[in-house]
Amino acid sequence: GAGVSQSPSNKVTEKGKDVELRCDPISGHTALYWYRQSLGQGLEFLIYFQGNSAPDKSGLPSDRFSAERTGGSVSTLTIQRTQQEDSAVYLCASSPPDQVGGYTFGSGTRLTVV
Amino acid sequence: GEDVEQSLFLSVREGDSSVINCTYTDSSSTYLYWYKQEPGAGLQLLTYIFSNMDMKQDQRLTVLLNKKDKHLSLRIADTQTGDSAIYFCAEMADDYKLSFGAGTTVTVRA
Repeated sequence: GAGVSQSPSNKVTEKGKDVELRCDPISGHTALYWYRQSLGQGLEFLIYFQGNSAPDKSGLPSDRFSAERTGGSVSTLTIQRTQQEDSAVYLCASSPPDQVGGYTFGSGTRLTVV
Repeated sequence: GEDVEQSLFLSVREGDSSVINCTYTDSSSTYLYWYKQEPGAGLQLLTYIFSNMDMKQDQRLTVLLNKKDKHLSLRIADTQTGDSAIYFCAEMADDYKLSFGAGTTVTVRA
């Protein structure tokens, strides 16, 4: 596609429920990243996929968070047993193999846990 | 570890120049970036600079890098109301992860 597509754009969920956030990267971009942006904060790195290599999960805040990337393309970020502190905008980005030009970001999914 | 710091707010009059400052700590940074985020939107890459350069100019944007002091700045000439946004500084180290500052909210007043 022309850009990085994320869905849903907004999600309101009850505390304790599981949620899935989806990211469609730009075609041909081998690297995919998830970041979290809380109100008034910078971007917090969550997870990084590069081709067929094992993902870098060092930024996931707890074992309630997981992500997968199927076929080297679409990625799903799953949050189990959501808590109110999970409320944030979740941003996905992708980049081509050389990564020099920086990432292209999607518009994000705004998650609100009530 | 990486740590990127920016001032949180900047107010500038339309037509004046804006200067947004950033400091970083990772001496292995290879590239440094400026992103712009408008309300309700994702981050848009504005410009980037390789760590062996000290200046890059792109139309109204000028990036200055002082590698010794680990200081990066973005100058926007002739600031317009459409420049009102949050500007993020970011550094990329050898591991290809971008580390972001908290963002500088720029408000352009008439």
